[in-house]
Amino acid sequence: QVQLQESGPGLVKPSETLSLTCTVSGGFISTYYWNWIRQPPGKGLEWIGYIYYSGSTNYNPSLKSRVTISIDTSKNKFSLKLNSMTAADTAVYYCARGDYYDSSGYHKNGFDIWGQGTMVTVSS
Amino acid sequence: IVMTQSPATLSVSPGERATLSCRASQSISSNLAWYQQKPGQAPRLLIYGASTRATGIPARFSGSGSGTEFTLTISSLQSEDFAVYYCQQYNNWPRMFGQGTKVEIK
Repeated sequence: QVQLQESGPGLVKPSETLSLTCTVSGGFISTYYWNWIRQPPGKGLEWIGYIYYSGSTNYNPSLKSRVTISIDTSKNKFSLKLNSMTAADTAVYYCARGDYYDSSGYHKNGFDIWGQGTMVTVSS
Repeated sequence: IVMTQSPATLSVSPGERATLSCRASQSISSNLAWYQQKPGQAPRLLIYGASTRATGIPARFSGSGSGTEFTLTISSLQSEDFAVYYCQQYNNWPRMFGQGTKVEIK
């Protein structure tokens, strides 16, 4: 059974860079699109971006200038970097599994497996 | 694509039916998912492909619709169903969520 686990600092100073990692266990990181999603306190969900195991990425235009997602297939991990953090970036950050490829091709999909989430607060 | 959910809050008695709506600003075919989120937990996938229940989801949850209009129905609300529900389109990038419908106890 595939499980995801986010890790990283819970507190980031304004203007600094957030770095989070998601570890994929119980399955292979290949063939899927791996996503970051966030949720400010008391608010809705915002998709940040994805990475495919080949390294191809796609980011939400609202965050594109500040986001980098990378992957380490040898360690079954992928990571998020978000720079120039402000209080508006305070949120629970989730990693989640999305679209995939199989023998019949590419499949669009919802986010079927999520990490438990990690709360990130931006404060000096 | 903007996803609009209604109502924002739905007050329902246990055992009653709940009907939640989601509208897309343009056609998304059947590429729509529904999630349930309880306080302090990650969202859980309930429905994908607009009408297919995810693994382990009880039959009282059903989804319908295509194009721009979608519905999530909970046939007989159980105590564990009181939560926030989100719809999400996965037809286009960026993936977008609705703002959520809170289902509360009446």
